Amino acid sequence: EIVLTQSPATLSLSPGERATLSCRASQSVSRFLAWYQQKPGQAPRLLIYDASNRATGIPARFGGSGSGTDFTLTISALEPEDFAVYYCQQHSNWPLTFGGGTKVEIK
Amino acid sequence: EVQLVESGGGLVQPGGSLRLSCAASGFTFSTYGMNWVRQAPGKGLEWVSHITSSGSATYYADSVKGRFTISRDNVKNSLYLQMNSLRAEDTAVYYCARALAVPDTRFGYWGQGTLVIVSS
Repeated sequence: EIVLTQSPATLSLSPGERATLSCRASQSVSRFLAWYQQKPGQAPRLLIYDASNRATGIPARFGGSGSGTDFTLTISALEPEDFAVYYCQQHSNWPLTFGGGTKVEIK
Repeated sequence: EVQLVESGGGLVQPGGSLRLSCAASGFTFSTYGMNWVRQAPGKGLEWVSHITSSGSATYYADSVKGRFTISRDNVKNSLYLQMNSLRAEDTAVYYCARALAVPDTRFGYWGQGTLVIVSS
């Protein structure tokens, strides 16, 4: 099973600041990595697929990069609605796995 | 518009069974692989099971293998999860999620979830 480790667990930032979230895989997943956003009481939403492609309707301030074992989700300038929990997910191998999540909270 | 509506959750005793359903609309259901993903209270996301578009292949997380069965009815545009031998650790919100593309194991669309509580 591929283990995804997300860091940091919590990121405390102010609106307008840049957020950098990390996802590290226990073995290479090539570019088969996606990012999801989840707000309290809501279902997750796909943000980024194939490491760097924004899903439909996702603002340009969200960007993904990386390949192999190291991936990054960047939010260039945090908007109030961006404070949420973010998960990475690999779809390179069965079983499909998620990272433990990074909570982006208001400082 | 893609819509996924889960139902069938509730309170069940340890060792009991429950069947979840997911009603799909707004897309050609028979074209897409489908998944169940769960989230225990206050915890992260856990993939549970995947079924291919035709239903010919299924995949399970080790934590549910042998106890849960995923199935689909492409005439009724519905996805199911039969859960047997339920344990306290199965308590979670269960989400139905559609693949982003064909074929695919990215979760492009999600339902709002149905809560399953396993407790005596």
